[in-house]
Amino acid sequence: GAVVSQHPSWVICKSGTSVKIECRSLDFQATTMFWYRQFPKQSLMLMATSNEGSKATYEQGVEKDKFLINHASLTLSTLTVTSAHPEDSSFYICSAAGQASYNSPLHFGNGTRLTVT
Amino acid sequence: AQSVAQPEDQVNVAEGNPLTVKCTYSVSGNPYLFWYVQYPNRGLQFLLKYITGDNLVKGSYGFEAEFNKSQTSFHLKKPSALVSDSALYFCAVRDIGSGNTGKLIFGQGTTLQVKP
Repeated sequence: GAVVSQHPSWVICKSGTSVKIECRSLDFQATTMFWYRQFPKQSLMLMATSNEGSKATYEQGVEKDKFLINHASLTLSTLTVTSAHPEDSSFYICSAAGQASYNSPLHFGNGTRLTVT
Repeated sequence: AQSVAQPEDQVNVAEGNPLTVKCTYSVSGNPYLFWYVQYPNRGLQFLLKYITGDNLVKGSYGFEAEFNKSQTSFHLKKPSALVSDSALYFCAVRDIGSGNTGKLIFGQGTTLQVKP
């Protein structure tokens, strides 16, 4: 089955530093990748949608300058949390769409637990 | 706008008993519905989907879901629950149509607790 690898699985950083999270599709080409944020025991909140080779589309209320998304290839998208603050601490999950068909399920990475101290 | 609702924050069942996790949807047009499961500190695993065809959909790990158009529901079911089924379950609808990205729109999630 389709595999999405997300790295790192957890990271602790100091306030003011930047953190990069990688999302890779291992056995398929991901034309579209989605980045979600999840607070404890809550649902997933879509942050942005990225298409390979173009700028990401951010959801309302998400700061594009703070959450930088790059989708430079069909197998890799990155999310960089810039100048992180404690309120950015959360669980970040990426998902990838391998086919241009809405019939296909999205495949998810295992998530990244970010803790900002 | 497309949306899904999971009316129960938590469902408790005894091992061996049948389980149902409820989901209702609101969409314009035909719904593309999905169920995912999430274990602690992990991503989401796909269980099953309904796109078209038979209203009873069978998926992974013995789960199934029944699509009911008149009630706009897509409840997740399993005839005999296992302790290992304890997890967080999400119902989702795919956002389709011209100009839409195909993103998944999730319900609030339902915690399933199966007790031995």
